[in-house]
Amino acid sequence: AQSVDQPDAHVTLSEGASLELRCSYSYSAAPYLFWYVQYPGQSLQFLLKYITGDTVVKGTKGFEAEFRKSNSSFNLKKSPAHWSDSAKYFCALEAGGSNAKLTFGKGTKLSVKS
Amino acid sequence: EAAVTQSPRNKVAVTGGKVTLSCNQTNNHNNMYWYRQDTGHGLRLIHYSYGAGSTEKGDIPDGYKASRPSQENFSLILELATPSQTSVYFCASGDGRGGNERLFFGHGTKLSVL
Repeated sequence: AQSVDQPDAHVTLSEGASLELRCSYSYSAAPYLFWYVQYPGQSLQFLLKYITGDTVVKGTKGFEAEFRKSNSSFNLKKSPAHWSDSAKYFCALEAGGSNAKLTFGKGTKLSVKS
Repeated sequence: EAAVTQSPRNKVAVTGGKVTLSCNQTNNHNNMYWYRQDTGHGLRLIHYSYGAGSTEKGDIPDGYKASRPSQENFSLILELATPSQTSVYFCASGDGRGGNERLFFGHGTKLSVL
């Protein structure tokens, strides 16, 4: 069975700083990895995905994520952070094959102080 | 942009009562999903469907039924609601397999079972 771990429930930083949200996964084969964002009072929105190829993938709103097979991680990054980036971020894994189900992590709530 | 509409937005139910949560999508996506979001758990998959007439059990299906009468509509049914089913429920649609799928989420239904 696959799993996704987001070890930081809350991250707080100042506007202009670099942000990095951690995500690690457990899966025996090649994973498909995703980041979604949930702004306060809103639903989840797709940010970016890694399928194969380049290990650094770029998404919407200036975000990018780096896939590292060596330590089973898919961390989300942005520099500089803006107060409007304050939201809850979810990492998700699709186990591949014909089944498109996503397994989500518990999420990281990011607060960017202006 | 795909549109996923959930109804009702808020629902208060009594223990032992029947609750039906509805979801409608207008982008002709084959796949539809029901998740619940709870603090400390992130999003957990309840039921999903790959097309009209089909439903599949997700990771936490106990106490829930699902119905997909058409491409556009996907309902989640709680036959005998319990307080443990108090949560925020999200419906999502997507059209892809093997990592090609981007999910579009509804705005959620906040259910309180008293």
